[in-house]
Amino acid sequence: DAMVIQNPRYQVTQFGKPVTLSCSQTLNHNVMYWYQQKSSQAPKLLFHYYDKDFNNEADTPDNFQSRRPNTSFCFLDIRSPGLGDAAMYLCATSRDSGVGSYGYTFGSGTRLTVV
Amino acid sequence: GEDVEQSLFLSVREGDSSVINCTYTDSSSTYLYWYKQEPGAGLQLLTYIFSNMDMKQDQRLTVLLNKKDKHLSLRIADTQTGDSAIYFCAEITEYGNKLVFGAGTILRVKS
Repeated sequence: DAMVIQNPRYQVTQFGKPVTLSCSQTLNHNVMYWYQQKSSQAPKLLFHYYDKDFNNEADTPDNFQSRRPNTSFCFLDIRSPGLGDAAMYLCATSRDSGVGSYGYTFGSGTRLTVV
Repeated sequence: GEDVEQSLFLSVREGDSSVINCTYTDSSSTYLYWYKQEPGAGLQLLTYIFSNMDMKQDQRLTVLLNKKDKHLSLRIADTQTGDSAIYFCAEITEYGNKLVFGAGTILRVKS
């Protein structure tokens, strides 16, 4: 029944070791988003895909990359994780960029720990 | 620019009403949303209000929008322990294509 699925729920990685977080959706939504959420802070948009078009936020570090090989899947790659990258990473989808009354549908998130 | 602010913490007794407040800066906001986040989970859309509305009621939830003051509130009637969570206010603007969130209000319900 889950519609936006993130794997894994918890990820521990070593400082500087590349890590990939995954997101899949069964909603056939056009748009997929990646948010970073640190403790007691607002979720911060990193980037989004509108179909195959990639849209990076201006202040997203180069260390963060994303891939969307097809409609259903989207990946977040962190090339060299630092201690400051420890956070909850949330994937979300929307039917279109003008979300209207539907808002976004979020996954359960992946909590990343960097050791 | 877009900015959304919320108070950080609210504590209420079970059965009381809770009121969570939010202010936003972008006057072109079209839709405003309330999301709920339980511990260790993602964000769940609770309700929304379109900018041409002043009030929306949905069972125990009442959303009030004051466009003049750019103030949004969420009232939860008969608050239950299961309502304990973080509540996020979010806006999307007429010209934007992304949700902008507040930092969230932690609601604690005491039995």
